[in-house]
Amino acid sequence: EIVLTQSPGTLSLSPGERATLSCRASQSVTGNYLAWHQQKPGQAPRLLIYGASSRATGIPDRFSGSGSGTDFTLTISRLEPEDFAVYYCQQFGSSPPTFGGGTKVEIK
Amino acid sequence: QVELQQSGPGLVKPSQTLSLTCGISGDSVSSNSAAWNWIRQSPSRGLEWLGRTYYRSKWYNEYAVSVKSRMTINSDTSKNQFSLQLNSVTPEDTAVYYCARGSMGGTRGAFDIWGQGTMVTVSS
Repeated sequence: EIVLTQSPGTLSLSPGERATLSCRASQSVTGNYLAWHQQKPGQAPRLLIYGASSRATGIPDRFSGSGSGTDFTLTISRLEPEDFAVYYCQQFGSSPPTFGGGTKVEIK
Repeated sequence: QVELQQSGPGLVKPSQTLSLTCGISGDSVSSNSAAWNWIRQSPSRGLEWLGRTYYRSKWYNEYAVSVKSRMTINSDTSKNQFSLQLNSVTPEDTAVYYCARGSMGGTRGAFDIWGQGTMVTVSS
């Protein structure tokens, strides 16, 4: 199975700053079938990005995804108060689907 | 608007069977462009995909290796829902369980709709 490694584990930033989150796969992700999810405490994950770079319905354009093959990035251009959460990458091009360990974006 | 509503007990005794149901509104369990997944989340394992069911002229089920011998996913078209049964549970199966849709349409298979989650504790 494909192992996804996210870094950093925790990102301490202030509102208005730019956040850059990394996701590295142990082997190439088929078809760039890579998604990013946001999870807040007590809530289910929410899809932000699919296909490595396409925003899901209703997701603000301050969220962007990039990358291909084994290296992917989620960028939040200007952090809003509601963006402080945990972010997970997920690959769904190969079975089994797998998730990264998450990056927590916390208020500095 | 597609929604998934989970139901089932939050406490299961060791060696017994964990059973959860995911009701679907706004889509069909027999859709040819969706797969219906079970995922769990615990501090020790993180987010772990458990299995899925989908219909492509016939029903298919896939399971994670870690639970394959103990898990069954069933679909009920009359109630438009799918269910999870995990046998012979141990405290290691304690987790928040989620159902989720993988949509082969607009989001190319990404898990775009999630249930609300069910915290299941395995304890006597």
